[in-house]
This record gives sequence, structure tokens and C-alpha cells, in this order.
Amino acid sequence: AAGVIQSPRHLIKEKRETATLKCYPISRHDTVYWYQQGPGQDPQFLISFYEKMQSDKGSIPDRFSAQQFSDYHSELNMSSLELGDSALYFCASHRSRGRPGELFFGEGSRLTVL
Amino acid sequence: SQQGEEDPQALSIQEGENATMNCSYKTSINNLQWYRQNSGRGLVHLILIRSNEREKHSGRLRVTLDTSKKSSSLLITASRAADTASYFCATVLSGGYQKVTFGIGTKLQVIP
Repeated sequence: AAGVIQSPRHLIKEKRETATLKCYPISRHDTVYWYQQGPGQDPQFLISFYEKMQSDKGSIPDRFSAQQFSDYHSELNMSSLELGDSALYFCASHRSRGRPGELFFGEGSRLTVL
Repeated sequence: SQQGEEDPQALSIQEGENATMNCSYKTSINNLQWYRQNSGRGLVHLILIRSNEREKHSGRLRVTLDTSKKSSSLLITASRAADTASYFCATVLSGGYQKVTFGIGTKLQVIP
């Protein structure tokens, strides 16, 4: 079965530009999470969606927004990019049926801001 | 905020030895999970232990949970070079939350 697909895998942007990351969860998974991981850091929770509604919010900057679409794919939009936004961005999905459990991660999108 | 903290942060052992990593957290949890991450790759789920469980096994992995001490340990027995990776514990709070919060992680190096 296909895993979580993230695109693009690598992205290079200039400061103040905008970037959009996409995530395609595993089929029938109803929950999507976004994490940011800086070099040598732990994954920091940004935001999650359950059945296309935002379910929880973490340390996501106001310059970032995300949504989950009717086909369950999700997009993370990042505007006014800063050097500190350079990181690996992971999407994870989960078939929760209301119960929290294991997450399935994509391979990540590496964003470099110059 | 709820966060698991791993101990030690780095561990280097010889192949065949056992590796033990510990995790502590601060508030009541629904479950605790362990993940492995190879450098620059996505995290891979290893094992989940619920708050009403004390011990769980999966192959060469053994996880314990002590809710009174708010701590968990991951034991990898008979380690292999392929076990070299970073290991993270992650917690889900009790009370119907979905958020999975990761700790700092332990970087394990298994020397052949």
C-alpha cells in the first residue's frame, strides 16, 4: 500500500517568498499532522486536521496556514519566509476513528530559505 | 507544554549489546509511542504503549511504562549496526486530544 506522499521533496526559496507544501495521506486515514524539524532538533508539532477540520494547533507561526481538502490531502502554506524556516517539514497521517494512535510519516519536504 | 525528554541524548554501543533509552514526561497521557528516524528520513513508528499497560514487546524491542514516575524506557536487545538511528518518544495526552508531541530524542550509534 502507498505510504504518505509529500511534495516537493526539496524546495529552495528566497527570504520573503512564499512556499506551499503538499501532503497526500494514506488512503482512509482521517487525520493529518504537520511537523517541523530543524537540524538536530526534535519534530515540532505545527497543526493537525481531523476529518478536514483543524483539530489541534501547535507552534505554527501566523505566517503559516494549512488546510485539508475534500480528498483528505493537506497543504501547508508559508509566507514571508525567514531564514529560520529552513527545516524538514513532515506530514503524518493516522486513521484515528476518534482514538489517538500511531502516525505514519512521509519522507518530508526539505525547505531551504536563502 | 507536554513533552517527552529522552535520556541519554547520545549513546554509542558495540553490536550485540543492549541499548536502553529513557523518556520522561510531565502530564497524564493516553499513550506513549516510540519512533525511529534515520538521518534526514521520515520517522517510523516502532511501538505504542497505552497508559493502562506496563510492558510491551515487539521483536527485539521491549518498552516499559511507569505512569507513577511518568517515565518510559525502550530496550533494544542484541543491537545491530542497522539500529543506528535517532529514537524519539512521543506522547498523546489523555482527554481526547489527537496531538502527538515528540521529545528531544536519543541518537544511537551501534558500532559493528
